[in-house]
Amino acid sequence: GIQVEQSPPDLILQEGANSTLRCNFSDSVNNLQWFHQNPWGQLINLFYIPSGTKQNGRLSATTVATERYSLLYISSSQTTDSGVYFCAVKGGSQGNLIFGKGTKLSVKP
Amino acid sequence: KAGVTQTPRYLIKTRGQQVTLSCSPISGHRSVSWYQQTPGQGLQFLFEYFSETQRNKGNFPGRFSGRQFSNSRSEMNVSTLELGDSALYLCASSFGQGAGTEAFFGQGTRLTVV
Repeated sequence: GIQVEQSPPDLILQEGANSTLRCNFSDSVNNLQWFHQNPWGQLINLFYIPSGTKQNGRLSATTVATERYSLLYISSSQTTDSGVYFCAVKGGSQGNLIFGKGTKLSVKP
Repeated sequence: KAGVTQTPRYLIKTRGQQVTLSCSPISGHRSVSWYQQTPGQGLQFLFEYFSETQRNKGNFPGRFSGRQFSNSRSEMNVSTLELGDSALYLCASSFGQGAGTEAFFGQGTRLTVV
């Protein structure tokens, strides 16, 4: 099956700093999503981005499907950005998401 | 538009008991998937239902089962609970079946087995 690797596993930033989170996947995909898991456990949708670039406020994402990676950019980070960020993919005809292990982001005031 | 609703939010059960978790998808969504999240194994796929039929199943023992009703609401059941079943159980809904649809998650049910 498809393997998903996220890096870095942990990231500590000072408020206001920028960051880049990476997601590599081992096979072609036709669905890629980025999520932020809040302290209560809910996965919040950030981007549905099987290819191309999208922006939403301080967040943006780029997926280069041919090279099998996706990047999540967070600019001017805030303490509320803290939490775990997951990348998840689907490939072929499968209906289930395959998740990476996540990047734990801590933003210090 | 209401999001994905999971009940209950928290549950404490004793080893050997069984438990039923419920998930109501976003209105109009017909696909429901279930995932288990533990610190050791991360997020793992349990099963997917579409139009009351199980379409896909993850690598979990037969103690884990599920079903979907005609209104797309889904339940999952775990029988003969073990300590290792303690986890956050997340339900996702999507409009269609298959790879090309965005999934939206509920708040989860946190199950503790003692």
